[in-house]
Amino acid sequence: GDSVTQMEGPVTLSEEAFLTINCTYTATGYPSLFWYVQYPGEGLQLLLKATKADDKGSNKGFEATYRKETTSFHLEKGSVQVSDSAVYFCALSRTGTASKLTFGTGTRLQVTL
Amino acid sequence: GAGVSQSPSNKVTEKGKDVELRCDPISGHTALYWYRQSLGQGLEFLIYFQGNSAPDKSGLPSDRFSAERTGGSVSTLTIQRTQQEDSAVYLCASSLTTVSTDTQYFGPGTRLTVL
Repeated sequence: GDSVTQMEGPVTLSEEAFLTINCTYTATGYPSLFWYVQYPGEGLQLLLKATKADDKGSNKGFEATYRKETTSFHLEKGSVQVSDSAVYFCALSRTGTASKLTFGTGTRLQVTL
Repeated sequence: GAGVSQSPSNKVTEKGKDVELRCDPISGHTALYWYRQSLGQGLEFLIYFQGNSAPDKSGLPSDRFSAERTGGSVSTLTIQRTQQEDSAVYLCASSLTTVSTDTQYFGPGTRLTVL
């Protein structure tokens, strides 16, 4: 079945550091890929998405590129801020499965001054 | 416009009692999903509704769980004879359609605690 694997957290970085959160997936066909973020005390919200191979999703300085050859969708940001502290979830939805999302386990990011 | 709303925000119940959780999707969204977020299982799909089609119940963990969607809008998730392992945050999401590229918008969740 479909699955998403994320790097274990927590990830602790100093402000202005470079961030990478690894995400790989297993799915048949050509899934759509998403990063969702959950800020403390808030609900899940979409951060970015990519719907076909080689697409790059971007938002709020975050980027992720859909790499079909490596089945990956790694999240990157060049300079993190304290306000980026949150839990980040990688997810996929497969064509024909009515968009139900399969999530990774989440990676907690803590950014310190 | 208004986002997805859920009620109650918190629910504490005793083992063996029934509970009902409510979801109001974004107006005009035809697809509605329920997920569960728990420490042991992460985020898992439970059930989805699309228009007047039969719901996809493939993620429901047992027959104690059921859901309905009235008039293509509000949905209620019911858990009968609650168990301690049902303790989790129950999330509702809606999307315009069920095309796999569509964004799902999540509500704030209902935190269920079974004593």
